[in-house]
Amino acid sequence: KQEVTQIPAALSVPEGENLVLNCSFTDSAIYNLQWFRQDPGKGLTSLLLIQSSQREQTSGRLNASLDKSSGRSTLYIAASQPGDSATYLCAVRETGANNLFFGTGTRLTVIP
Amino acid sequence: NAGVMQNPRHLVRRRGQEARLRCSPMKGHSHVYWYRQLPEEGLKFMVYLQKENIIDESGMPKERFSAEFPKEGPSILRIQQVVRGDSAAYFCASSTEGYNSPLHFGNGTRLTVT
Repeated sequence: KQEVTQIPAALSVPEGENLVLNCSFTDSAIYNLQWFRQDPGKGLTSLLLIQSSQREQTSGRLNASLDKSSGRSTLYIAASQPGDSATYLCAVRETGANNLFFGTGTRLTVIP
Repeated sequence: NAGVMQNPRHLVRRRGQEARLRCSPMKGHSHVYWYRQLPEEGLKFMVYLQKENIIDESGMPKERFSAEFPKEGPSILRIQQVVRGDSAAYFCASSTEGYNSPLHFGNGTRLTVT
């Protein structure tokens, strides 16, 4: 059964710092991987989606990488801002599956 | 260009009552997914529907829970005879089609059973 792990569970950084969030998954037969952010009391906002054939995706200050063979993905946030404070979730969709398997998230706090 | 709309945002029910959660997908999206987020846990898949069809309900409890996505109107997640353990945030997501499409989530309905 697919298990998705995110480390660390919580992270605090000063404003302006670059940071990396980690996601690992146990079964490499994935179709794609998606990164989301969740603000307190809110829904999920899709950030980046990486297909299994891709190595990375970029959007603004965000860069997500995927190493399918090792079961890892990273989300790199450049020049962090207080507005980046949120919980970041990664989720994998297995080949042939209808659903996403979510990690429990990394709670990021960017200190002004 | 409204996103995924869920209502109500908050719902309080006494044990034994019924809860009805509604989800209107994004315009042009015909695929709807329901997920549940228990306190301090990750999101867990419940059910996947297309118009008038349940495609995959493997994550939904066999009793008391049901879902529908009629030809007209929103998708409904229905929980009968609620218990305290049903208290959670219930999220709906929609997509256009296929496995390549990213999921777009609503803001969720927070169900509290007293």
